Amino acid sequence: GAVVSQHPSWVICKSGTSVKIECRSLDFQATTMFWYRQFPKQSLMLMATSNEGSKATYEQGVEKDKFLINHASLTLSTLTVTSAHPEDSSFYICSAERGRGLGNEQFFGPGTRLTVL
Amino acid sequence: LAKTTQPISMDSYEGQEVNITCSHNNIATNDYITWYQQFPSQGPRFIIQGYKTKVTNEVASLFIPADRKSSTLSLPRVSLSDTAVYYCLVGDHSSASKIIFGSGTRLSIRP
Repeated sequence: GAVVSQHPSWVICKSGTSVKIECRSLDFQATTMFWYRQFPKQSLMLMATSNEGSKATYEQGVEKDKFLINHASLTLSTLTVTSAHPEDSSFYICSAERGRGLGNEQFFGPGTRLTVL
Repeated sequence: LAKTTQPISMDSYEGQEVNITCSHNNIATNDYITWYQQFPSQGPRFIIQGYKTKVTNEVASLFIPADRKSSTLSLPRVSLSDTAVYYCLVGDHSSASKIIFGSGTRLSIRP
């Protein structure tokens, strides 16, 4: 099946620093990728839709200047958490959409655990 | 976007068949029904997808009645490793479209 990777798998940083998370579709091209955030014992919350070659579309309540998304190629999207604070600590998951005959299917990355001290 | 409703949690035993039902009363004509499985600290994993009637793969079966207002994920002969959160998603998969996760069903399998 299709594979989506994320790097790093976990990161610990100091408050005020910026952290970049990469999402790659390894064996297919994805014009659309999605970024989610998940807090403990909660469901995934969609943060933004990342489109190759254009600006990301953010969900209501998600600060676009804090969570910078760049979809530079058909296989790579990056999420940068700028000036991270402890409340940004969460599990960040990306997904990439692959078209199929009957419809599109989303493949999820393994997630990145961000801990801000 | 069609909203989905699932039981918050379910318990079962190894070897049993588990059926998780999801309600999606406002499902649209172009919407597909997709189920994902998520283990702790991992990304969701695709289980099965369907549009109507019944779909079966090597992992599960998906039953969708004619009105498509609900669907049932059936896991045959579960094992301890099936303990996970299961999400029912409804979305227009004919084009790039965001999918909103509901609360999911936390399934616990006991020996």
